[in-house]
Amino acid sequence: QSVLTQPPSVSGAPGQRVTISCTGSSSNIGAGYDVHWYQQLPGTAPKLLIYGNSNRPSGVPDRFSGSKSGTSASLAITGLQAEDEADYYCQSYDSSLSGRYVFGTGTKVTVL
Amino acid sequence: QITLKESGPTLVKPTQTLTLTCTFSGFSLSTSGVGVGWIRQPPGKALEWLALIYWNDDKRYSPSLKSRLTITKDTSKNQVVLTMTNMDPVDTATYYCARQIAVAVNNWFDPWGQGTLVTVSS
Repeated sequence: QSVLTQPPSVSGAPGQRVTISCTGSSSNIGAGYDVHWYQQLPGTAPKLLIYGNSNRPSGVPDRFSGSKSGTSASLAITGLQAEDEADYYCQSYDSSLSGRYVFGTGTKVTVL
Repeated sequence: QITLKESGPTLVKPTQTLTLTCTFSGFSLSTSGVGVGWIRQPPGKALEWLALIYWNDDKRYSPSLKSRLTITKDTSKNQVVLTMTNMDPVDTATYYCARQIAVAVNNWFDPWGQGTLVTVSS
């Protein structure tokens, strides 16, 4: 169902840097639509982490950063902390099928 | 402070119609550029966008579910209602509502409600 593909899981030790990819196509990311990222802690609702490809809402630590290139986007977490263990989702707009908002397949980040 | 909260039945039978209400505060759905959307998440699975309604009553639906969905708003009550017909066990999920600020189509969802788990079972 998801048109944005993410790795199922990534892991890293505290203090390390991890990246999560979000791969789309010419009808979504490749068409120039922005990518947004959400963090979902266990048992809670998603929370906006990055909007407009690389912007952090107020209160989000600068350890989180986003980028976009071509048909893909990435979320980087530097200085990984135990509290970063969560599921992460990318989101964009897709112009196919009369237009729709699409989410990624989700990535589980594990802090070793 | 902006908050949203979903309410509705926790259990529905197959073929029944689900009606969910999103009650929000801290913003108005009569303000230009504001929208409220519904997103669901089956247990252990990814998020799926369902529907959106904007301040001007413009409505958008997921193409794959369009025939089953209706979204409406009651601006005076600060509520958005989603109905989904012909429920099936595969529709078992946590249903979230979230605010969206419309900037062309490069829009994101923020904040989200806490979600409500709906189970479809006979």
